[in-house]
Amino acid sequence: GAGVSQSPSNKVTEKGKDVELRCDPISGHTALYWYRQSLGQGLEFLIYFQGNSAPDKSGLPSDRFSAERTGGSVSTLTIQRTQQEDSAVYLCASSLYGYPYEQYFGPGTRLTVT
Amino acid sequence: KQEVTQIPAALSVPEGENLVLNCSFTDSAIYNLQWFRQDPGKGLTSLLLIQSSQREQTSGRLNASLDKSSGRSTLYIAASQPGDSATYLCAVKYGGSNYKLTFGKGTLLTVNP
Repeated sequence: GAGVSQSPSNKVTEKGKDVELRCDPISGHTALYWYRQSLGQGLEFLIYFQGNSAPDKSGLPSDRFSAERTGGSVSTLTIQRTQQEDSAVYLCASSLYGYPYEQYFGPGTRLTVT
Repeated sequence: KQEVTQIPAALSVPEGENLVLNCSFTDSAIYNLQWFRQDPGKGLTSLLLIQSSQREQTSGRLNASLDKSSGRSTLYIAASQPGDSATYLCAVKYGGSNYKLTFGKGTLLTVNP
């Protein structure tokens, strides 16, 4: 079956512009995660969605970052007024809610802020 | 603070060698531990997942072990091949509410022909 897909695969934007990153999870997966992979920082958790519950936003680095998940499926991560330190690979993962909570990752979106 | 550490940061071996990658974690109250492979410019591919109640998992030439009491996991790769060259990431799902993964910074493995 289809895996997790993300778009765009690459995004170059100017400092100060807003960007939207999209994630399509595996069909039937109710849990969805966003992570960020920066040089020297490794992979960091950003936000977690589970069904209709309120998302866990504890990993978002600033209020410039937001995410939504429509219809329990597709998710969009929005970064407002981008800064150069936002340059990173943004990875989305999804899982079933329940044992063993194994996460499946998409190919990522490489964001470059110039 | 719940952290995951991987040693070494990089490893270069000749083809055919058996090797071990190490992962340590600071809190023994884990739910499970996952090993991933990441190729340059690509996403993560799950290799093995070990539940907290398990001691090891095997898939082909890969064997992952888990020792919660010492806060350690190892990934053993037998008869390494050039195609095994990649970054290997260890990730821990700590007990808690959001099931996020806490990642180590990875080991960059190069297998030389």
